[in-house]
Amino acid sequence: GAVVSQHPSWVICKSGTSVKIECRSLDFQATTMFWYRQFPKQSLMLMATSNEGSKATYEQGVEKDKFLINHASLTLSTLTVTSAHPEDSSFYICSARDFRKGTGIYEQYFGPGTRLTVT
Amino acid sequence: GNSVTQTEGPVTLSEEAFLTINCTYTATGYPSLFWYVQYPGEGLQLLLKATKADDKGSNKGFEATYRKETTSFHLEKGSVQVSDSAVYFCALSDRGNTPLVFGKGTRLSVIA
Repeated sequence: GAVVSQHPSWVICKSGTSVKIECRSLDFQATTMFWYRQFPKQSLMLMATSNEGSKATYEQGVEKDKFLINHASLTLSTLTVTSAHPEDSSFYICSARDFRKGTGIYEQYFGPGTRLTVT
Repeated sequence: GNSVTQTEGPVTLSEEAFLTINCTYTATGYPSLFWYVQYPGEGLQLLLKATKADDKGSNKGFEATYRKETTSFHLEKGSVQVSDSAVYFCALSDRGNTPLVFGKGTRLSVIA
């Protein structure tokens, strides 16, 4: 099956520093990847859609200058949380989309998530 | 726009009890429907899916049938185990270039 990895799985950083999270599709090419944020005991909130070779599309209310997304290749997207603050502490999950010719539908595969704690 | 509504949790069941988590959707066209499971501290895993009306998705004893007439995709399991304790998300995908739309999730706790 399709595998998506994220690195790091957890990170603790000091307020004011920047943190980069990587998302990789390991056995397929993903022209589109998505970044989600999940608060404790809540659902996933879509932050942005990342398309390879173009600028990310951010959801309303998400600061694009704070959450920098780069999708430089068909297997890698990165999310950089710039000048992180404690309120940015959250669980960040990426997913990569693969078009399945057999079913004719897009399927999304999720990474294991990255827990960010800003102190 | 597209939306998904599912049973509000938390749901607490005894081991071997029957499970139903309701999911209804609103969508234009004919979406694909999914159930994802999230175990504590982990990302989402696809549990099952259905791509057209009357399809039944099944996996690990869980089942859900795509009911177009009632716009529903209820998740069922005949006998839950403690290891099924997790958060379950219903989701839909239209056939265009848009991301999954998720329900709010239902937290299931199974006690021995």
